[in-house]
Amino acid sequence: DSGVTQTPKHLITATGQRVTLRCSPRSGDLSVYWYQQSLDQGLQFLIQYYNGEERAKGNILERFSAQQFPDLHSELNLSSLELGDSALYFCASSVSQSTEAFFGQGTRLTVV
Amino acid sequence: QKEVEQDPGPLSVPEGAIVSLNCTYSNSAFQYFMWYRQYSRKGPELLMYTYSSGNKEDGRFTAQVDKSSKYISLFIRDSQPSDSATYLCAMQSGGSNYKLTFGKGTLLTVNP
Repeated sequence: DSGVTQTPKHLITATGQRVTLRCSPRSGDLSVYWYQQSLDQGLQFLIQYYNGEERAKGNILERFSAQQFPDLHSELNLSSLELGDSALYFCASSVSQSTEAFFGQGTRLTVV
Repeated sequence: QKEVEQDPGPLSVPEGAIVSLNCTYSNSAFQYFMWYRQYSRKGPELLMYTYSSGNKEDGRFTAQVDKSSKYISLFIRDSQPSDSATYLCAMQSGGSNYKLTFGKGTLLTVNP
């Protein structure tokens, strides 16, 4: 167990809907990363937060947004969902921005 | 050219074999190097973390970094069937950009 908790584990929703994925980092970790993993693309970086501030952005769609709250948990919001958004979404956390990152078990999103 | 290249395999070896997994990279700004193991549909599990050229050993695992050649390796000694998984290399540049850039992963099967 990495100490990073993601909820829900599975999510099935229809096209056009909006969902929120939640991540609780390891105790003491200030940095949170979000990644998308699909079969053909590997692990794709979406966004990183450090102590509540956005620090790096990857190829995150405009329909996607995220935030990190004062208690350091993070949420990834996905809206106007499309079939192609079906993937595993992982959250990772680290103590600082240049230390090892630990991953949660992911949320499997299926858009039907 | 992709920032990180990793042979996807699959790689199949007999139990007890020495396994060599490799990644090359093009971004000379990468300073931190990680190896993750991912079982099917689970979160990536951190195996090794290093930030300098040379070797780092942990049990049956040895990580090797050659910054001059932009090449990193992971060696697994006395491989076990439980080592069967996808192995992902990841790199991080630091400075103002701390995103982890992953290789696509190598699928390893260790046959009993």
